[in-house]
Amino acid sequence: EDQVTQSPEALRLQEGESSSLNCSYTVSGLRGLFWYRQDPGKGPEFLFTLYSAGEEKEKERLKATLTKKESFLHITAPKPEDSATYLCAVQAHDSNYQLIWGAGTKLIIKP
Amino acid sequence: DTEVTQTPKHLVMGMTNKKSLKCEQHMGHRAMYWYKQKAKKPPELMFVYSYEKLSINESVPSRFSPECPNSSLLNLHLHALQPEDSALYLCASSQGPGQGNNEQFFGPGTRLTVL
Repeated sequence: EDQVTQSPEALRLQEGESSSLNCSYTVSGLRGLFWYRQDPGKGPEFLFTLYSAGEEKEKERLKATLTKKESFLHITAPKPEDSATYLCAVQAHDSNYQLIWGAGTKLIIKP
Repeated sequence: DTEVTQTPKHLVMGMTNKKSLKCEQHMGHRAMYWYKQKAKKPPELMFVYSYEKLSINESVPSRFSPECPNSSLLNLHLHALQPEDSALYLCASSQGPGQGNNEQFFGPGTRLTVL
């Protein structure tokens, strides 16, 4: 069965304390893996798409990496404004539209 | 422009009311989506329109009725809703099958409360 598991559920960091969020997936052929950021009461904001193992993408303090079993979202020297829920989703080869979502990681950065 | 707009931002309705949610995108995307999101849960797919035709209905109750008047617009008509339908309703769009990148871009959502 296709599934996505994110860990940890919640992560509290001090400002400037780097860390990583994990997204483990099981899918019958990966079409793409997507990272989103979601602020409370708002729609998810697209961050990255990763298509194949070994691929990496960067944006400001965020870097996403992909292996055959998992993806990491590395956050370097985070600031309080990076506080949000980070969602991971995968799309299988046999799907044009449906995404399989993880439950998200709630990230809190304390000043 | 990677913006998807939704109106209204907030909606409060009684169980006998009829209302509509609206969504618009001007990215030339040919796939548009409705999602429902409950607190502390990921988005849950409801409907997908591809090239203005309904492609996916995830067994959504008939009190939710989608409509795609043209390639830029998506509506969700609501009638006789239940309190458990209260949620954040999200619209999204993507390029469409065979068009390249598959990432979905989301709107800000409509917070719906059913009394």
